[in-house]
Amino acid sequence: AAGVIQSPRHLIKEKRETATLKCYPIPRHDTVYWYQQGPGQDPQFLISFYEKMQSDKGSIPDRFSAQQFSDYHSELNMSSLELGDSALYFCASSLGGGNNEQYFGPGTRLTVT
Amino acid sequence: GENVEQHPSTLSVQEGDSAVIKCTYSDSASNYFPWYKQELGKGPQLIIDIRSNVGEKKDQRIAVTLNKTAKHFSLHITETQPEDSAVYFCAAAGTTDSWGKLQFGAGTQVVVTP
Repeated sequence: AAGVIQSPRHLIKEKRETATLKCYPIPRHDTVYWYQQGPGQDPQFLISFYEKMQSDKGSIPDRFSAQQFSDYHSELNMSSLELGDSALYFCASSLGGGNNEQYFGPGTRLTVT
Repeated sequence: GENVEQHPSTLSVQEGDSAVIKCTYSDSASNYFPWYKQELGKGPQLIIDIRSNVGEKKDQRIAVTLNKTAKHFSLHITETQPEDSAVYFCAAAGTTDSWGKLQFGAGTQVVVTP
């Protein structure tokens, strides 16, 4: 079965640079979620989109922004990167309309040097 | 907001034995409780979930129980195998102001020794 696709899988950036992470949800899924996971920690919710509209917002820094496009893929844009932004970034998708069953992608490992 | 506590943080079991992980949540409005398995370097994998209108759910060797009154839910793995070794996360979601946001527990590192 098709899964969530994330690209790139690994990304190395320097401080103050920008990064763009992409997420392609499972076909027919209309809701996308972004999570950040630090080493040895649980995933922390950042933001979600349902039918291309922001549906919920968590602890996402103002330096980050995200959107969902007409084909339901999503991009997380991260600017003025800081060392503390180094983490795994996961995208999850679900079939919306109140269904919370979220399926996670393999993640993007972002390293800020 | 919702707060989820998970115990134990590490669990070592002999192959063939059972493993139990427990979680408590704070927001009585939460109505969806999934469990995820995460192997090193991979994304969390949904292994089972339960909704607040159900007390117990089973899928082969895995079962989840929910006690709404006490606000706690548990994962039971029977006949453990080495491939069950991973980090397991519980989560809660479905509050009226944040229905899609998963609030995770801190995770349990499960090690199954042959």
